[in-house]
Formats: sequence, structure tokens, C-alpha cells
Amino acid sequence: EAQVTQNPRYLITVTGKKLTVTCSQNMNHEYMSWYRQDPGLGLRQIYYSMNVEVTDKGDVPEGYKVSRKEKRNFPLILESPSPNQTSLYFCASSLIGLAGGLPKETQYFGPGTRLLVL
Amino acid sequence: LAKTTQPISMDSYEGQEVNITCSHNNIATNDYITWYQQFPSQGPRFIIQGYKTKVTNEVASLFIPADRKSSTLSLPRVSLSDTAVYYCLVGENDYKLSFGAGTTVTVRA
Repeated sequence: EAQVTQNPRYLITVTGKKLTVTCSQNMNHEYMSWYRQDPGLGLRQIYYSMNVEVTDKGDVPEGYKVSRKEKRNFPLILESPSPNQTSLYFCASSLIGLAGGLPKETQYFGPGTRLLVL
Repeated sequence: LAKTTQPISMDSYEGQEVNITCSHNNIATNDYITWYQQFPSQGPRFIIQGYKTKVTNEVASLFIPADRKSSTLSLPRVSLSDTAVYYCLVGENDYKLSFGAGTTVTVRA
């Protein structure tokens, strides 16, 4: 079954304790992305990756790191979590869209990781 | 990226048609219009995408006027299970996106 998986699904941690949220996709997608969702703010993009070893900042990258050493995995790293990073996090992946007016590829989202930083 | 504006919320009843209009005055020539649906505690999922005129699939229709400065997502004969948040996105591709707050559609019996 084609899917995007995230682990853990729920996490409670304390300020300053490094954590990693894993994301994996089995669809051979080049593109992967991380979002955070907060009430009233919708989904905001944190980082995205166009392929292995190619990453770029989204709208809210501060306090986060990512790596893309393998095509299927795109972990999100919080080196020193703070309470304002308490949020619902989603990972997504897609094929790279074609240019020239052809239909664009859409993103497939994981189930989400709910993080609470105390 | 083109900024989008859509209503915060809409209420409807089962069996009615729901139309959500999204404004995107600064849409660029290469931009597509994409709508996603999100149920509580789930990731968004793609509904429909279009560039101009009308697009229809098994879930919804998307109407885009000639000037492309707005678009309307139409959900025919909604049911309780259509209660969700609907996001309008405009961009040349899906790579660097802002979903915004979306429109919360509540369908009542």
C-alpha cells in the first residue's frame, strides 16, 4: 500500500531535549516536505526536499533541522525543543511535477505527529 | 506565491450543494489552483486541481473564470462525512506552499 508513515504519532517531551520525528514514504517520490499545523494558522511549511541531499527552507524553519540521506526518509530534528514548537506535524511527499502546463503532482500526507513540549 | 482569501467557515445541510469561493488576485500565469480536504486528526488530501474553465471529478467541481482571479469549489449533495477543512492553494507547483487557515465546512443533518 502506497503511504507516508510518521513516527512517533504522539510525543511528550521537555524543553531542550533533542528529538527526531521520522518520515518515510514507499512511493519513490523525489519531493518530501514537513508542515506544522496550529489552530487558526493552517498548515505552514517548515522544510522541503526536492531529492536526496537537496533541502530548502519553508516559511517557518527556525528551530528545526532536516536531512535527506535516502530518498524514502526525511527526518525532522528538533535540536532543542521549546514550548512554542508544540504542534501537530505532517510529513508529505510527491513526485516532481512536470513543467509546461502539464498537470502538477499532488502531495500525499502522513497521519501526523502530535508533539507537546513542556 | 499568490495570496489566497477564502471564508473561515460555512454551514450546510445534508443533500445541499456547497460552494466555496477562493480569491487569488495576484495569480501568476503559470500558477495552478489546487484544493485539499482535511478531516480532523488527519493529513490533507488532494481533491481537485485546475488551471482555467471547469474541472470535474468524482468528488467535486472547480470553476475558474476567465480572469482566474478567483475560483469556486463546488461539492454536490454534501453528506455529514464532508465535514472538513478545505484549503485553496495557488502556485506553479506544490513544492513551496502555504495552506492558510482554510474553510471549515460543517454539514448538519
